[in-house]
Amino acid sequence: DQQVKQNSPSLSVQEGRISILNCDYTNSMFDYFLWYKKYPAEGPTFLISISSIKDKNEDGRFTVFLNKSAKHLSLHIVPSQPGDSAVYFCAALTGGSYIPTFGRGTSLIVHP
Amino acid sequence: EAGVAQSPRYKIIEKRQSVAFWCNPISGHATLYWYQQILGQGPKLLIQFQNNGVVDDSQLPKDRFSAERLKGVDSTLKIQPAKLEDSAVYLCASSLGAFQETQYFGPGTRLLVL
Repeated sequence: DQQVKQNSPSLSVQEGRISILNCDYTNSMFDYFLWYKKYPAEGPTFLISISSIKDKNEDGRFTVFLNKSAKHLSLHIVPSQPGDSAVYFCAALTGGSYIPTFGRGTSLIVHP
Repeated sequence: EAGVAQSPRYKIIEKRQSVAFWCNPISGHATLYWYQQILGQGPKLLIQFQNNGVVDDSQLPKDRFSAERLKGVDSTLKIQPAKLEDSAVYLCASSLGAFQETQYFGPGTRLLVL
């Protein structure tokens, strides 16, 4: 039973446009969410996070939105750049565990 | 600051053989994690250490997998004997403490069991 779902295995976007990556979760106990970015042959690297007490967190070109009632979060990348091409993992934590549950990832390709 | 180091980067073995992976976390990081990432899936935690003690090994298949972190720094993960379904990338990560949400990952060891 997947508690964190990334239903789009891949996404293709033109350079300069917005990339929107989606993530849904089922466990209402999750209270902290993270996005990781992974290049081939490298480990995931932390990108941005959001606490359940917020509905938006921004860091440069990256913004994460959280809709708790819908159990949905999204990562917006504006403007998208070819160097953003990577696999993006959504992960969720409960306060008691601090062990992230990862989604399957979405492969983003940004075309020049 | 050096990142998390792992070796080997790639390993091919036959089923029923043994294999060991090594991880050196970021200096000063007390917490170390081993994850298994099967192709097409997200990383799944196998074991978490806090210094040299095990915090969580509930998802470690203990009949064939073992891990240790004897001096609270480096760690090794062993599989004995390996099965075909163990083919995956094994990721090591570290964090400052057990309650630091940000984990820093190594490049992983890609294991292929034939």
